Amino acid sequence: DAGVIQSPRHEVTEMGQEVTLRCKPISGHDYLFWYRQTMMRGLELLIYFNNNVPIDDSGMPEDRFSAKMPNASFSTLKIQPSEPRDSAVYFCASSPEGSYEQYFGPGTRLTVT
Amino acid sequence: ILNVEQSPQSLHVQEGDSTNFTCSFPSSNFYALHWYRWETAKSPEALFVMTLNGDEKKKGRISATLNTKEGYSYLYIKGSQPEDSATYLCAFELSGNNRLAFGKGNQVVVIP
Repeated sequence: DAGVIQSPRHEVTEMGQEVTLRCKPISGHDYLFWYRQTMMRGLELLIYFNNNVPIDDSGMPEDRFSAKMPNASFSTLKIQPSEPRDSAVYFCASSPEGSYEQYFGPGTRLTVT
Repeated sequence: ILNVEQSPQSLHVQEGDSTNFTCSFPSSNFYALHWYRWETAKSPEALFVMTLNGDEKKKGRISATLNTKEGYSYLYIKGSQPEDSATYLCAFELSGNNRLAFGKGNQVVVIP
């Protein structure tokens, strides 16, 4: 299996622009998680899905952030409009039902100037 | 907000020396404690998951213990090697809801 796939790996954008991050979980995994990594706050859970349904989005910082999972093999995290404080590494992870382990993707490094 | 603390934040270890560091977490509503290893420019990878008080897990030279009553876990590296250099993340799982609260990590640098 190719593992969790994220794209793009790097994104540089100007403040105010819309940013879309993409994730393909491992096939057969029922859970998908979006995390944000910053120096100040470490690794924070933003939102997670079970069988394509959002379960807990309490970590989403504000209305500028939205996430969707239209099918079992694809999820997006969108920031509109983006701000410099959104600069971080965004990780996607997936896990199968009944497993404790989460499998992380390579991350997307977002820089908002 | 679940408070997961890891200490020390960073440490330098001489090759061949053993070391250990601590993760402390809330002792109520405990479900599982996860350790991940995160190498620079890579993704975090699962090392251990522990669920029972007194659990001990081992993988090669790395081992971990769990005390759920007092809310701490230790990670040990025996005979550190340069390839052990990484950030070790601890994550607390509350009541089986799949939601992990991560600490900020223990950054380990092994000096040859």
